[in-house]
Amino acid sequence: DQQVKQNSPSLSVQEGRISILNCDYTNSMFDYFLWYKKYPAEGPTFLISISSIKDKNEDGRFTVFLNKSAKHLSLHIVPSQPGDSAVYFCAASGDDSWGKLQFGAGTQVVVTP
Amino acid sequence: NAGVMQNPRHLVRRRGQEARLRCSPMKGHSHVYWYRQLPEEGLKFMVYLQKENIIDESGMPKERFSAEFPKEGPSILRIQQVVRGDSAAYFCASSRDETQYFGPGTRLLVL
Repeated sequence: DQQVKQNSPSLSVQEGRISILNCDYTNSMFDYFLWYKKYPAEGPTFLISISSIKDKNEDGRFTVFLNKSAKHLSLHIVPSQPGDSAVYFCAASGDDSWGKLQFGAGTQVVVTP
Repeated sequence: NAGVMQNPRHLVRRRGQEARLRCSPMKGHSHVYWYRQLPEEGLKFMVYLQKENIIDESGMPKERFSAEFPKEGPSILRIQQVVRGDSAAYFCASSRDETQYFGPGTRLLVL
């Protein structure tokens, strides 16, 4: 039962433009959401998080938006850089499953010059 | 300021052998988690431990898999009598709060 879904397996974007990655979830108990970036043969690297009491969190080039009513979050990367080419995972956890992150299947981002 | 350490990075085992994967959390982190990533899939939660306690093992297969986080030393994920389907990347994470930080993973190949 996939409770966190990333419906776009891949995204190609030009350097300097905005990358928008989307994530949907089904469990209304989720209250903490994270985005990770992963290069091949490495572990996921934490990028940014948001709790359900907020609808936006920003850190440098990365902004995460949360729409609780739609059970949808998105990650914006502006401007995109070649080093951003990686797989991005959305993850979520809730009070009823503290510590148990549920991951989406990931979105492969390719930033072209 | 070392991150989460995992070893070995690569492990090859023949069917029926045992695999031991080790994880040292970041300094100051008392929560340890193990995840598995099968090819072309996202990470799947296996187990959440604190020192000497298993908090949530709802993602662990019922047989052959066990995990511990002793008072001293690293956390260990142990897979007995490995089968080909155990071939995967196993990631350990640690945290002080809700944000988990991951190690580089151990890639297990079962021949």
